[in-house]
Amino acid sequence: DQQVKQNSPSLSVQEGRISILNCDYTNSMFDYFLWYKKYPAEGPTFLISISSIKDKNEDGRFTVFLNKSAKHLSLHIVPSQPGDSAVYFCAASSASQAGTALIFGKGTTLSVSS
Amino acid sequence: DVKVTQSSRYLVKRTGEKVFLECVQDMDHENMFWYRQDPGLGLRLIYFSYDVKMKEKGDIPEGYSVSREKKERFSLILESASTNQTSMYLCASTTGGAGTDTQYFGPGTRLTVL
Repeated sequence: DQQVKQNSPSLSVQEGRISILNCDYTNSMFDYFLWYKKYPAEGPTFLISISSIKDKNEDGRFTVFLNKSAKHLSLHIVPSQPGDSAVYFCAASSASQAGTALIFGKGTTLSVSS
Repeated sequence: DVKVTQSSRYLVKRTGEKVFLECVQDMDHENMFWYRQDPGLGLRLIYFSYDVKMKEKGDIPEGYSVSREKKERFSLILESASTNQTSMYLCASTTGGAGTDTQYFGPGTRLTVL
């Protein structure tokens, strides 16, 4: 049973436009969410996170939105650049469960064309 | 900067061989993790460790074991490699405590079992 779902395996966007990557979760105990970016043959790198006490967190071109009632979060990249082409993983954890591992989605492959 | 290193980037082994994958982190992190990444399946947790000589099973521990004799080193062992263990293996570490800590990943080991 998948607790973190990324229903879109892939997304194609033109350079300069907005990329929106979506993630849904089922476990109401999750209260911390992260996005990781992964290039081929490299390990994932942390991109941005959000705590459940917030509904938005922004870092440069990257913004994560959290809708707790819908158990949904999204990552917005504006403007998209060719270098953003990578696999993006959504992950979740519960701060109330100390030391638990992150639960990852299956990833969305973003392709940004110039 | 946090650094997580893995002993090999690419590895080719034969069915039935015993395989050791080594991971070292230099930030005195308590928690260390082993994942495997497969297309369409995302990152799946194999084992993790909260402290020296401690280990916990993740979602897919079958066919694997781990060793943590020193805080900075976490080893993944394939007792008898099989072709279905061909995958990208990723090690990660994070500080101890609640599940709000960012996990830092190594570059990954691409293992092929023939």
